[in-house]
Amino acid sequence: DAGVTQSPTHLIKTRGQQVTLRCSPKSGHDTVSWYQQALGQGPQFIFQYYEEEERQRGNFPDRFSGHQFPNYSSELNVNALLLGDSALYLCASSPGGRKQETQYFGPGTRLLVL
Amino acid sequence: AQSVTQLGSHVSVSEGALVLLRCNYSSSVPPYLFWYVQYPNQGLQLLLKYTSAATLVKGINGFEAEFKKSETSFHLTKPSAHMSDAAEYFCAAVNQGGKLIFGQGTELSVKP
Repeated sequence: DAGVTQSPTHLIKTRGQQVTLRCSPKSGHDTVSWYQQALGQGPQFIFQYYEEEERQRGNFPDRFSGHQFPNYSSELNVNALLLGDSALYLCASSPGGRKQETQYFGPGTRLLVL
Repeated sequence: AQSVTQLGSHVSVSEGALVLLRCNYSSSVPPYLFWYVQYPNQGLQLLLKYTSAATLVKGINGFEAEFKKSETSFHLTKPSAHMSDAAEYFCAAVNQGGKLIFGQGTELSVKP
């Protein structure tokens, strides 16, 4: 049983560019959450998708947007990249319904903005 | 607003010694609490979770945590540290909307 997978593993972009990160949830999970982890800090919640809708959002600007597909996979898009967007982006999945189910994390995508 | 505080950004122990990583939460309702571990250049792995079934929770790799409502604490312990335990440890609470709120993390070093 594959766990949560993310692609790509690493990415280098320049300021002003746009980036798309992808996530496939664990089998049987239909809820996907995205987190940003800056160097030396704990992960910060970006948003959560359930039934293809954004269910909850953290304190991130509108430059951060997402999408969930019918197969429950998800994308995170970041527009107009800033140097401060450099971080590890983590995707987590959980079974749907109850919002407080355990979230299982993927290995992350490390984004470097130059 | 719900918050999680981990006391000590870095803890160093000798191999075989007790590991104690501290976590306090603030919540107006009984929380769901988690401990995750992160090895270098990897994602987060669930160690254990508290869901009100029992105050002492056993997790993987010999770790356990005790929920103390009176102290709003959920400290992580392991009786005997192993070199492979060296990693970053995060305490987290989930709010009613499903958002995980993390502490700042504690880096555990294990000396031979």
